[in-house]
Amino acid sequence: NAGVTQTPKFRVLKTGQSMTLLCAQDMNHEYMYWYRQDPGMGLRLIHYSVGEGTTAKGEVPDGYNVSRLKKQNFLLGLESAAPSQTSVYFCASSYPGYVGQFFGPGTRLTVL
Amino acid sequence: AQSVSQHNHHVILSEAASLELGCNYSYGGTVNLFWYVQYPGQHLQLLLKYFSGDPLVKGIKGFEAEFIKSKFSFNLRKPSVQWSDTAEYFCAVKGLDTGRRALTFGSGTRLQVQP
Repeated sequence: NAGVTQTPKFRVLKTGQSMTLLCAQDMNHEYMYWYRQDPGMGLRLIHYSVGEGTTAKGEVPDGYNVSRLKKQNFLLGLESAAPSQTSVYFCASSYPGYVGQFFGPGTRLTVL
Repeated sequence: AQSVSQHNHHVILSEAASLELGCNYSYGGTVNLFWYVQYPGQHLQLLLKYFSGDPLVKGIKGFEAEFIKSKFSFNLRKPSVQWSDTAEYFCAVKGLDTGRRALTFGSGTRLQVQP
């Protein structure tokens, strides 16, 4: 099992550009999450999904959109990147009955 | 709403020193508690977790944590740290009757162990 994987690992964008981060998991997990990690602030939940075709907002959803068209994939989109979105993005997955989460390796995004 | 506080933002220790990292949470109901570790350049890994039962839980690499319900605390300890313990440590909580499926994380504690 590859577990939770994220693509790309690094990306540099200019303000106003758009991009999509891909999270994939091969554990057949129902739940998937996107977090951002910023210095001194820990991880903050952006969006999450409790199943294929469903998504919900987390603590800091503004400026991001997500889609869960397939159970194994959870996409995070930035339509118009801003410097405030410079961060490390982590994807995680989980399943019913287990309260912990399995994390991906992260994507480091810099917006200039 | 649930929240987690980690009051030690940056801790510097010498090898063989004892470690205690504080974690306090605010939530009145039943909780599950976690410590995650992030080594430099790596993703988060579960260090240990508390679900129920014995409030003293043991994790990997000699770490342990004690859940003290009356103090809303879940402090992480290790009797003798090693240089390889240099990492960032995150405490996380999940309230079981919130309907919220995600974890709430603290801001993290950066541990630097000097040889």
